[in-house]
Amino acid sequence: EVQLVESGGGLVQPGGSLRLSCAASGFSFSTYWMHWVRQAPGKGLVWVSYINRDGSSTSYAASVKGRFTASRDNAKNTLYLQMNSLSVEDTAVYYCARGISVGGQYYYYGMDVWGQGTTVTVSS
Amino acid sequence: NFMLTQPHSVSESPGKTVTISCTRSSGSIASNFVQWYQQRPGSSPTIVIYEDNERPSGVPDRFSGSIDSSSNSASLTISGLKTEDEADYYCQSYDSSNHVLVFGGGTKLTVL
Repeated sequence: EVQLVESGGGLVQPGGSLRLSCAASGFSFSTYWMHWVRQAPGKGLVWVSYINRDGSSTSYAASVKGRFTASRDNAKNTLYLQMNSLSVEDTAVYYCARGISVGGQYYYYGMDVWGQGTTVTVSS
Repeated sequence: NFMLTQPHSVSESPGKTVTISCTRSSGSIASNFVQWYQQRPGSSPTIVIYEDNERPSGVPDRFSGSIDSSSNSASLTISGLKTEDEADYYCQSYDSSNHVLVFGGGTKLTVL
């Protein structure tokens, strides 16, 4: 079964840091682009970041650029999101999602599998 | 970056057909593929349409997608509405020049 399981969320003070993890199983992790997407309470989906298959290329939303860093360990089938200088506006459920696969090719422009999410709360 | 604008909410009766629009603010809607996601209450999103009009395996053919260059918009159409279709629906595309992905604000579908 294809599965993504996020962990690492919790309560953190403004200005603090947190590292999220996403454990992948049931598919060839190193073959796929991976994304982070967040959803603030009662709000819509917001794309945060993507990382390419070998981790050599990343992209970030303007709201997190310079503060968040995506990385991956293909040997451990795990995706990470290091979040620094957190603010209350970063409070959200964070989802990891697999980049889309079409006809045996792998792309970043969509997401075809999502995890259950992990909750990050930034509050004093 | 461009924005994708969706209606906040739509409602329709079971068995009917509903269409949700997604309008791109700048640049051509045809320039980059559009995906649609369904998010039922308390659940993670799932993809229902990719590459403008393709359906992943397992998604009923009641779901269809299209783009319209004249209105610079994409549409998700759900026919034969069922109560289980009640959910939030998000369109999504990407800005290939800036390497970012963009979601619409989401549309709450009520089936009543």
